[in-house]
Parts: sequence; structure tokens; C-alpha cells
Amino acid sequence: QKEVEQNSGPLSVPEGAIASLNCTYSDRVSQSFFWYRQYSGKSPELIMSIYSNGDKEDGRFTAQLNKASQYVSLLIRDSQPSDSATYLCAVRAGGTSYGKLTFGQGTILTVHP
Amino acid sequence: SAVISQKPSRDICQRGTSLTIQCQVDSQVTMMFWYRQQPGQSLTLIATANQGSEATYESGFVIDKFPISRPNLTFSTLTVSNMSPEDSSIYLCSVGDSSSETQYFGPGTRLLVL
Repeated sequence: QKEVEQNSGPLSVPEGAIASLNCTYSDRVSQSFFWYRQYSGKSPELIMSIYSNGDKEDGRFTAQLNKASQYVSLLIRDSQPSDSATYLCAVRAGGTSYGKLTFGQGTILTVHP
Repeated sequence: SAVISQKPSRDICQRGTSLTIQCQVDSQVTMMFWYRQQPGQSLTLIATANQGSEATYESGFVIDKFPISRPNLTFSTLTVSNMSPEDSSIYLCSVGDSSSETQYFGPGTRLLVL
């Protein structure tokens, strides 16, 4: 089982719709959870972080965390063509692995006009 | 967030040679990491660059192949040694602070080995 697994893509949504990206992780001691966006040919850009169970909203983005289910998701409301990118879920371990990020394989999102 | 630069931004190298990649940050940071992103793949952590001591390597990565230096809190280098075409990847430096809990990435170095 992969340590961090994202829903298989690519994901295609129409402009204005809600895009839902999902991620599960295997390590129960994981402390922090991040969503990065990576445009083609560019480096990853941090868009959301979440540390506690529940929802965290930032503009059109909402991150949801459920530690009991080892599940984290990212919702993008009112999707725009400029949201088309690869979205990477990353999990930071605790304990002696402090600071280390483990990434999922990424989900390619395409928002079509 | 810190401003991170990497040199070179890209390079084409011959097999058997070595390339040193530099990562410079505009402020002191506690943690620096080196990642590899192979074509079409996600990011894999190579090692944590420790200031004043040897880097901490992840499983599958060894110091002889990827020697790392970190002489101070703003600078690190990664060398890709004795390169083969399988080393063709994007190499990314990232920085984090123990108080911020987040990591930010440099622009990356795109390496092609022929």
C-alpha cells in the first residue's frame, strides 16, 4: 500500500463547477497535511495546509481532514481554467521523521470552458 | 515565505559526469531538503540537508551518488555523481522552518543525461 494515495485522474470539470480531489494516507502518526499545485514545467506551489480535523477554507479552496479515516480532500469551488494543473497531496510525519513530506502521485485537473 | 533560487535552472550532461546544483535562500532556514521528480512522477525525497553535519538520506539514496553540502543556514548543494540517463529528472530544493510547519520549493533544476 502506498503511503499517500490520491484519487486516480485525470479529472475534468467544466468551468464554474466544484472539483473534488481526494487523498488517503497510511501513517496514523501523520501530523500535517498539505495541498500543492504544480503547473506544467513549474515547481510545486503550496495552496493549503490543514492540521486539525474538519474544514479549512481559503477563498475558493476548502481542505477537509478526517484523521480517523486517514483522509484529506481539497475542494475547488467555481473552478476556473487557470486551476488546470497537477494537485499534489503531501503528508508530514511526526516523531523522528519530523519535517519530512511524503507526496502522493498527484491528480491532474483540467477545467474546460 | 522565503525566496529560493537554484542554479543551474537546466542542464544537459553526458553520462559518467557529475553535476552540482546550488540552492540559495534569502533568509536563514532551519530545514532544507532535496527532492527528485522523475518525468511524469511525483516528488521523492532524496535527503535532508543538515547544517554542519552529514545529510540524512532516504531509503534508496546514498551519499556516494548524491553528496550534499550545507555550510550555513542559507545555502546547500546537491551533486549528482556518475550520471546515467536514469538520473534525468527535475531536482528540487525545498526549505522549511520548524515554527512554520510548511515547506516551500525552489524553481527546480531540469537535468537531462545523454
